[in-house]
Amino acid sequence: KAGVTQTPRYLIKTRGQQVTLSCSPISGHRSVSWYQQTPGQGLQFLFEYFSETQRNKGNFPGRFSGRQFSNSRSEMNVSTLELGDSALYLCASSLLTGTNTGELFFGEGSRLTVL
Amino acid sequence: GQQLNQSPQSMFIQEGEDVSMNCTSSSIFNTWLWYKQDPGEGPVLLIALYKAGELTSNGRLTAQFGITRKDSFLNISASIPSDVGIYFCAGLALGNKLVFGAGTILRVKS
Repeated sequence: KAGVTQTPRYLIKTRGQQVTLSCSPISGHRSVSWYQQTPGQGLQFLFEYFSETQRNKGNFPGRFSGRQFSNSRSEMNVSTLELGDSALYLCASSLLTGTNTGELFFGEGSRLTVL
Repeated sequence: GQQLNQSPQSMFIQEGEDVSMNCTSSSIFNTWLWYKQDPGEGPVLLIALYKAGELTSNGRLTAQFGITRKDSFLNISASIPSDVGIYFCAGLALGNKLVFGAGTILRVKS
């Protein structure tokens, strides 16, 4: 079956702009989590959605937001971009609430560069 | 908050060598997981451990859930070139927070 699909794969924005990233989970998976990956920092948890509800949230400012649709697809938005937001944004899906088991299926990521 | 200290940060391997990496924390975790990320890809789950003391193998990979529940290690035996990548440990604590280590970068000696 198809894996987790993230779009766009690469994008370049300038400071102050906003960006929306999209994630389509594996068919049948209802939980979607978002992570920010930067060199040396590992994977920093942004938020998790399950059945259109945010179940967990990481320690990121309010400029980072997300949502999940009824078909389990998810989007995350970053407003008023800063240089430090440059990162690989990874989406992961799981059958149930992902953080209950830790077993996540990751997409290839969206690499955001902020100039 | 809960943090995982993963070491080493990076290492070079020669084909055929055994490799060890570990993850420690001052916090207790109920589940330990090991993921591998190839260049340009997202992380892929290698091994999941659910009980303190558990030792689990997946091919040439062996991982253990520390008896204190505060650490885990991953061993790779007889390494091959495709083992290069970034290995992440992850711990699942009470409250269902999944925490990742900073990763161990595995490179091949030229």
